[in-house]
Amino acid sequence: NAGVTQTPKFRILKIGQSMTLQCTQDMNHNYMYWYRQDPGMGLKLIYYSVGAGITDKGEVPNGYNVSRSTTEDFPLRLELAAPSQTSVYFCASSSQQGLNTEAFFGQGTRLTVV
Amino acid sequence: QKEVEQNSGPLSVPEGAIASLNCTYSDRGSQSFFWYRQYSGKSPELIMSIYSNGDKEDGRFTAQLNKASQYVSLLIRDSQPSDSATYLCAVNKAGGYNKLIFGAGTRLAVHP
Repeated sequence: NAGVTQTPKFRILKIGQSMTLQCTQDMNHNYMYWYRQDPGMGLKLIYYSVGAGITDKGEVPNGYNVSRSTTEDFPLRLELAAPSQTSVYFCASSSQQGLNTEAFFGQGTRLTVV
Repeated sequence: QKEVEQNSGPLSVPEGAIASLNCTYSDRGSQSFFWYRQYSGKSPELIMSIYSNGDKEDGRFTAQLNKASQYVSLLIRDSQPSDSATYLCAVNKAGGYNKLIFGAGTRLAVHP
C-alpha cells in the first residue's frame, strides 16, 4: 500500500548543481503535482500533469523542469540549483473523477542549497 | 489578488471550544474545495471536501461553502490539543486542466 513515494527524503546541493527529485504513485492516478513549501508558508504549485505526455506550469515554474513518460512517474528536475530553491518539495496525485479531486501526498523531500 | 487566501494565524483557542477557519478564493468557476491538515514536518492530509453550497459535517468537523461570496470555512467543534496544526484550504480551479491551488494555511493552537 505504497501510495505516493518520493526520493530522496533529504538532500544538500551546492549552488549550480543539478538533481532530479523522483516521484512515483501506484494508484493509477492521472493527475500528478509538484509543490514547494517554504518555512511557515503554504504550498506553491510548481508543475502539474494531467496524464502521460502532458504537463503544464503552475504558480512558480522557473528553475524547474518536469516530464511524464508514464502514468506512474513524475520526476522534477532542478538544472542550476540556487539558494532560493531551498524548500520542502511535495509530490501529489489525484484521480480527478468528477468533482472528487482529493490529492494524496508523498512524504516530501527536504532540499537545502548551499 | 491571491487565488486562495487564508489568515495565517496563529489562531489560539481553549480546549473544548469551537475553532473557526476561513478561506476565500478568486476564481468563480472553482468547483471543488478541500481542507487539509498538516502537522509540523509532515505531509498534508485531507480532512474535508465540499462541492456544493451549504454545510457538510463529518464528526467534529463542519465545512461550509458559499459560492456567491467565494468563501469556504471549516469549523472544529470540541477542539482538542491534538487538533493543533496548520490547516490548508485548497481549491480546484475550473477551466482547461484543473489545477489544485493552496492557500498559505492557518496555524491553529489549542491550549489545555
